[in-house]
Amino acid sequence: DVKVTQSSRYLVKRTGEKVFLECVQDMDHENMFWYRQDPGLGLRLIYFSYDVKMKEKGDIPEGYSVSREKKERFSLILESASTNQTSMYLCASSPVVRPLDTDTQYFGPGTRLTVL
Amino acid sequence: DAKTTQPTSMDCAEGRAANLPCNHSTISGNEYVYWYRQIHSQGPQYIIHGLKNNETNEMASLIITEDRKSSTLILPHATLRDTAVYYCIAPRYNKLIFGAGTRLAVHP
Repeated sequence: DVKVTQSSRYLVKRTGEKVFLECVQDMDHENMFWYRQDPGLGLRLIYFSYDVKMKEKGDIPEGYSVSREKKERFSLILESASTNQTSMYLCASSPVVRPLDTDTQYFGPGTRLTVL
Repeated sequence: DAKTTQPTSMDCAEGRAANLPCNHSTISGNEYVYWYRQIHSQGPQYIIHGLKNNETNEMASLIITEDRKSSTLILPHATLRDTAVYYCIAPRYNKLIFGAGTRLAVHP
């Protein structure tokens, strides 16, 4: 079974702090994704990566950056956390090599981040 | 993504079949239909996907109409653990757009 793990289930940070959310997948998938989920807004794509050291902006990249130094790990960074970044953050991975194709995405359990 | 339309909520008795409909009238010929579900406080879980033919796996069956404008996800024997939000998605370019989905409540 594909396993996608996220470093924390719950996280509380203060405004202005730098926040790191880590995601690891164990199936050698090329593609990895970061989403946030808010009530009434569904899941929105923040960033994705289709290879090591490659990244592409999603629909809402402002205020976020990402890092993919190893194939299995994709990190989401909030450079200076703000209260409007309080949300559920979901990481996913998929096995497709070609970035324009679609394949099944496997999600982690999510990190519920609260910024005070 | 092709736009998909699903009912907001549905109920199902435990042990009965749950049939969840989805309209995707603008779907193009090479776009798959994917179904995911999300149980409360968990990440979305892949269920099944299809292009033209009906599909079945250990979780569910997917029935796609011949014109591909709609599909139905069937959970043959719903259990209480199937209570979740079910999303019908027609992604393009590896981009999943999760709408509001259908909130399925399975009751004893």
